[in-house]
Amino acid sequence: GAGVSQTPSNKVTEKGKYVELRCDPISGHTALYWYRQSLGQGPEFLIYFQGTGAADDSGLPNDRFFAVRPEGSVSTLKIQRTERGDSAVYLCASSATGGQNTEAFFGQGTRLTVV
Amino acid sequence: AQSVTQLGSHVSVSEGALVLLRCNYSSSVPPYLFWYVQYPNQGLQLLLKYTTGATLVKGINGFEAEFKKSETSFHLTKPSAHMSDAAEYFCAVSDIQAGTALIFGKGTTLSVSS
Repeated sequence: GAGVSQTPSNKVTEKGKYVELRCDPISGHTALYWYRQSLGQGPEFLIYFQGTGAADDSGLPNDRFFAVRPEGSVSTLKIQRTERGDSAVYLCASSATGGQNTEAFFGQGTRLTVV
Repeated sequence: AQSVTQLGSHVSVSEGALVLLRCNYSSSVPPYLFWYVQYPNQGLQLLLKYTTGATLVKGINGFEAEFKKSETSFHLTKPSAHMSDAAEYFCAVSDIQAGTALIFGKGTTLSVSS
């Protein structure tokens, strides 16, 4: 597609439920990133994929969070046993190679609300 | 650890006035520096970036930023604000220690009045 696409745009879930957030990166981009943006804060890094593998998952806050990218394109961020503190906008970005000076293109995000 | 500080969570200017958004960073190695803009209901968009070379970087929409190593700063400026510049602006840093992930500041909301 023309840009990074994230679905759904909004998700409301009950505390304790499981959610999946999807990211379609720009076609051909090997690098994919997930960030989380809480109200009044800048985006915070969660995980970085290079191809199918997670090259850096140091930003995942705990083992309730998991992400996959099985075919090196679409990625899914999975959150188990959601908590109210998980409420945030989850951003996905992709870049052509993942090099430090290459531009990352961001999607519009998924706004997750845990009630 | 690397960090980014954006001074002023909210900046208000009049149309035609100078825009100055401040960004200071901490990094133990030479950083790569970025400014992103987020318009309402849109994704983050790269305004400009500094990697190596010339310390004055020009970006889109008339914005520019200067990397000052001695001041650990990367302030964003635009000589004359336009109403369409109203948005949230994020400064970000990336370096070897942080891998390729970006570390963002908390953002500055720019308001432009007529």
